[in-house]
Amino acid sequence: ETGVTQTPRHLVMGMTNKKSLKCEQHLGHNAMYWYKQSAKKPLELMFVYSLEERVENNSVPSRFSPECPNSSHLFLHLHTLQPEDSALYLCASSQGIDRPQETQYFGPGTRLLVL
Amino acid sequence: GQNIDQPTEMTATEGAIVQINCTYQTSGFNGLFWYQQHAGEAPTFLSYNVLDGLEEKGRFSSFLSRSKGYSYLLLKELQMKDSASYLCAVRVLGKGGFKTIFGAGTRLFVKA
Repeated sequence: ETGVTQTPRHLVMGMTNKKSLKCEQHLGHNAMYWYKQSAKKPLELMFVYSLEERVENNSVPSRFSPECPNSSHLFLHLHTLQPEDSALYLCASSQGIDRPQETQYFGPGTRLLVL
Repeated sequence: GQNIDQPTEMTATEGAIVQINCTYQTSGFNGLFWYQQHAGEAPTFLSYNVLDGLEEKGRFSSFLSRSKGYSYLLLKELQMKDSASYLCAVRVLGKGGFKTIFGAGTRLFVKA
């Protein structure tokens, strides 16, 4: 248990569906992240939120839409996805974003399959 | 550009020692992390090095040489539960602030 939970753990969706991934952290952290993890590829940073404000958007397609209603919760809204979006989506949190040793605490991920 | 290289897979025997290497070419270096990720689970923090040298933490040690752009993770007295992916990640400081850049990970298989 890392203090970061994600739901659902597995998701299968069609290309025309709309779904949302949820992340919650119980660590009192101020920063939250979404990553995409594909087989044999490095973790790809998608979005970073600090104190509920989006501070980074790494050229992610608009079919992925993040939402951070408060510092403990982070959502990733999905619509009209493509099969190549199938991957493990990891959420992480950290105390902040402006220190060298900013250890990130990860959730277990949502395994997404787009048909 | 920023680049991190580590072997894709390694196999070692229970009770043995294994060294997982990581080389990086980055600008604005501000430290190197190692994370462990078991299949289907969250990556978990193992170590952070910002100064040259070896840091030991139980059966795991991490080494850094900033001049060579090189790090390794050393696992001693291997156990079956050490079978996992090991992610090398570099912390860099650029115009937009700090970022953590991950390598693709090394899958370690520990056999009996």
